[in-house]
Amino acid sequence: AQSVSQHNHHVILSEAASLELGCNYSYGGTVNLFWYVQYPGQHLQLLLKYFSGDPLVKGIKGFEAEFIKSKFSFNLRKPSVQWSDTAEYFCAVNAGTGTASKLTFGTGTRLQVTL
Amino acid sequence: DAGVIQSPRHEVTEMGQEVTLRCKPISGHNSLFWYRQTMMRGLELLIYFNNNVPIDDSGMPEDRFSAKMPNASFSTLKIQPSEPRDSAVYFCASRPGQGWVEAFFGQGTRLTVV
Repeated sequence: AQSVSQHNHHVILSEAASLELGCNYSYGGTVNLFWYVQYPGQHLQLLLKYFSGDPLVKGIKGFEAEFIKSKFSFNLRKPSVQWSDTAEYFCAVNAGTGTASKLTFGTGTRLQVTL
Repeated sequence: DAGVIQSPRHEVTEMGQEVTLRCKPISGHNSLFWYRQTMMRGLELLIYFNNNVPIDDSGMPEDRFSAKMPNASFSTLKIQPSEPRDSAVYFCASRPGQGWVEAFFGQGTRLTVV
């Protein structure tokens, strides 16, 4: 079965600092990868996704992620964070095809951006 | 489109009571997921349906939990009897056909069992 690991549970950064959140998955076949964001008190929203092609994926709000197949990783990055980026970030993997396909999430990383 | 609709948004109940959470997926979506979010375990997949049929319920914690999807526009997650450790935020998500893997989430139901 697939699994997702997010190594950073809580990250505190000052505004304008650079961000990198780690995500590793375990699954031997083809995967689709996602980063979701959950702002305080809200539901999960899609930040970006990787299906195929260019392994460097750009999402909303200046976020990007790089899929490195050899490392089973899909790290999230942002060059300069803002206070409004304070949220919880979830990495997710969809593995399998057809009815066997399901979306599995990591435990999340809580990002706190200070002024 | 109104998105995935969950009700109630908040539920407070006493231990031992039955709790029913409801979800209306986005029209036309044929996959539906129930997730539970807690501080300790993050976001856990409980069960998911494809074309109203349960595909994988291995995440359902125990027999006290049951989920149904009687039609394409409605699903329930029932806990009977409820326990304090069931307190969590329960999210429902839906997505279109099998070849489409991005899921859309509802606002969640915050359940507190006292």
